[in-house]
Amino acid sequence: DQQVKQNSPSLSVQEGRISILNCDYTNSMFDYFLWYKKYPAEGPTFLISISSIKDKNEDGRFTVFLNKSAKHLSLHIVPSQPGDSAVYFCAAIPQGAQKLVFGQGTRLTINP
Amino acid sequence: EADIYQTPRYLVIGTGKKITLECSQTMGHDKMYWYQQDPGMELHLIHYSYGVNSTEKGDLSSESTVSRIRTEHFPLTLESARPSHTSQYLCASSVLGYEQYFGPGTRLTVT
Repeated sequence: DQQVKQNSPSLSVQEGRISILNCDYTNSMFDYFLWYKKYPAEGPTFLISISSIKDKNEDGRFTVFLNKSAKHLSLHIVPSQPGDSAVYFCAAIPQGAQKLVFGQGTRLTINP
Repeated sequence: EADIYQTPRYLVIGTGKKITLECSQTMGHDKMYWYQQDPGMELHLIHYSYGVNSTEKGDLSSESTVSRIRTEHFPLTLESARPSHTSQYLCASSVLGYEQYFGPGTRLTVT
């Protein structure tokens, strides 16, 4: 059973507009969430994270929102830039554990 | 910035061969991880280590083995490669187990 789900395999956004990537989870024991970005032939790079005691975390153009009651988090990128084109993975850490559980990823394409 | 290295980057090898994928980090992180990823799929944890002489199997069953004799080095070995082992293998390290820093990965093809 997949505990972290990214239901959109791909997303296409125009340059300068907002990109919104979504992630749902089923395990209520997750207490820390992360977003990673991955270019082809490279390893994932850490983008931004959020603890379950918060509902929002912002870092420059990137903002992560957490809705615990809906077991849903989202990553907002604004404004979107061509260099943002990549695969974005949502990941979660169960309470007391130090292991990441990943979603399947969403391929974001920013169009000029 | 994280410094974590994996070699080789690409490997094509025949069935039955023994292979070792190398992973090294220069940050002194105690925690290290191996993930396996197939195209379009999530990363699956196959091995992890919380320090020297400590290794554990991950959530996805794997025929590979790992060792952790030095803090900076976490190699993964397949004794007899099979086509089902074809995948991308990603190594990561971490201080606290939250933000993990990934290497560039090894893309393995077994023919």
